Amino acid sequence: GAGVSQSPSNKVTEKGKDVELRCDPISGHTALYWYRQRLGQGLEFLIYFQGNSAPDKSGLPSDRFSAERTGESVSTLTIQRTQQEDSAVYLCASSEGLAGVEQFFGPGTRLTVL
Amino acid sequence: GQQVMQIPQYQHVQEGEDFTTYCNSSTTLSNIQWYKQRPGGHPVFLIQLVKSGEVKKQKRLTFQFGEAKKNSSLHITATQTTDVGTYFCAGGNDYKLSFGAGTTVTVRA
Repeated sequence: GAGVSQSPSNKVTEKGKDVELRCDPISGHTALYWYRQRLGQGLEFLIYFQGNSAPDKSGLPSDRFSAERTGESVSTLTIQRTQQEDSAVYLCASSEGLAGVEQFFGPGTRLTVL
Repeated sequence: GQQVMQIPQYQHVQEGEDFTTYCNSSTTLSNIQWYKQRPGGHPVFLIQLVKSGEVKKQKRLTFQFGEAKKNSSLHITATQTTDVGTYFCAGGNDYKLSFGAGTTVTVRA
């Protein structure tokens, strides 16, 4: 595809519900990242996938957060039992996988937990 | 863990003036990247600096990496309304980038 795509663009959910966010990286990009951006703040690293290596989950804020990636394609970020503090924009980025290479960001999913 | 601090948080600039945003890391970085996020948009890569003391220019934007590779700056000359947005620095030692909180720039015409 032309760029990184994410769906849905907006998600409103009730506290306690589970949500699943999807990311389609640029074809051929082996590295995929998830970030969280709270209103007016910087990007908070969540998780990193590189090829078939074990993902770096060190940024996941709690065990309610999990992510999967099928090979070098689609990734899903799942948040279980959502809380109001989970409200944020969730950004996905992909890169060619070499350390320090430019990351291409998707448009993000705006999650609102009521 | 690694922390990247960015100042100022907000920068209000008169059109035509210059300004600088600064980025400081608590640890030595192997590289630093700069991104721009327009209002309502997503971050877009501007540049990467790798070498100690490196200076790169993109038209009116000048990026610098400190000698100790722990700080960086972005200087914009003759600010235009198209420069509006939030500028993030992101320092990395491998694949993981630590983003600063960003400098949000507004321009007075």
